[in-house]
Amino acid sequence: AQSVTQPDIHITVSEGASLELRCNYSYGATPYLFWYVQSPGQGLQLLLKYFSGDTLVQGIKGFEAEFKRSQSSFNLRKPSVHWSDAAEYFCAVGALLDSGYALNFGKGTSLLVTP
Amino acid sequence: EAEVAQSPRYKITEKSQAVAFWCDPISGHATLYWYRQILGQGPELLVQFQDESVVDDSQLPKDRFSAERLKGVDSTLKIQPAELGDSAMYLCASSRRGLAGPMHEQYFGPGTRLTVT
Repeated sequence: AQSVTQPDIHITVSEGASLELRCNYSYGATPYLFWYVQSPGQGLQLLLKYFSGDTLVQGIKGFEAEFKRSQSSFNLRKPSVHWSDAAEYFCAVGALLDSGYALNFGKGTSLLVTP
Repeated sequence: EAEVAQSPRYKITEKSQAVAFWCDPISGHATLYWYRQILGQGPELLVQFQDESVVDDSQLPKDRFSAERLKGVDSTLKIQPAELGDSAMYLCASSRRGLAGPMHEQYFGPGTRLTVT
C-alpha cells in the first residue's frame, strides 16, 4: 500500500536560516509526489509537484524539492526562511487505484520560525 | 484565479444533530474529493466523485455520512447524526478528469471546521 512518512512533527528554524523538511514514501511504481502548505484554519496550497523528468523541482515561494528514488525520499528545501513560512507542511503521494488517482498524505510537519 | 468554494467555514453542532457541508469545485473540474482532517493529522480521503458518480467511498462511514453530486458540479456532504469524534476540518478538492492518463493536481478549498459538542 502507498504511504508517506514525515519523520519530524515539529521543526523550529531561525528566520534567514535554511530549511529541510523530510518526506519518505512507500510505493511500488514511480510515484506522483506533492508538497502542500497549510496556514492555520486554511485549506491546502500546492507548493510543488514531481511527476517525472528532472528530479529537482522548483515551486512557489522559493521552495524546491528533490526526488531520490534510491532513498524513497522527496525532501523539501528553502535556502532562507521567512517568518511568513510558519505553517503546516504536508507531503503526499498520488497513486493510481481502480477508481482513479488518490492522494495519501503524511501527518505533516509544523514549522515554527523564530526571530 | 478560480478557486474551490466551501460553506460554511465554521459549524458548531450538538451531537445527534444533522449537519451538511457544501462545495463548489473549479469550473470544468470533473473530479471532486471530500477529505477529513483531524487536528494534527494529514487529510484522509472520504469520497471521490467523477462527474456525478461516486468512484471511491471506501473510507466513508456510510452509516452516518452521505455525499452527493447530483448534476456533476457542486457537492454536499452530510452527517446524520453527528458524533463527538466527527469534530474535524472537512476539505473539498477538485481536479481535472483523472481516470486515465497522468495525474492532475488537486486544488483545495478553505475547508469547513466542524465542532460537535
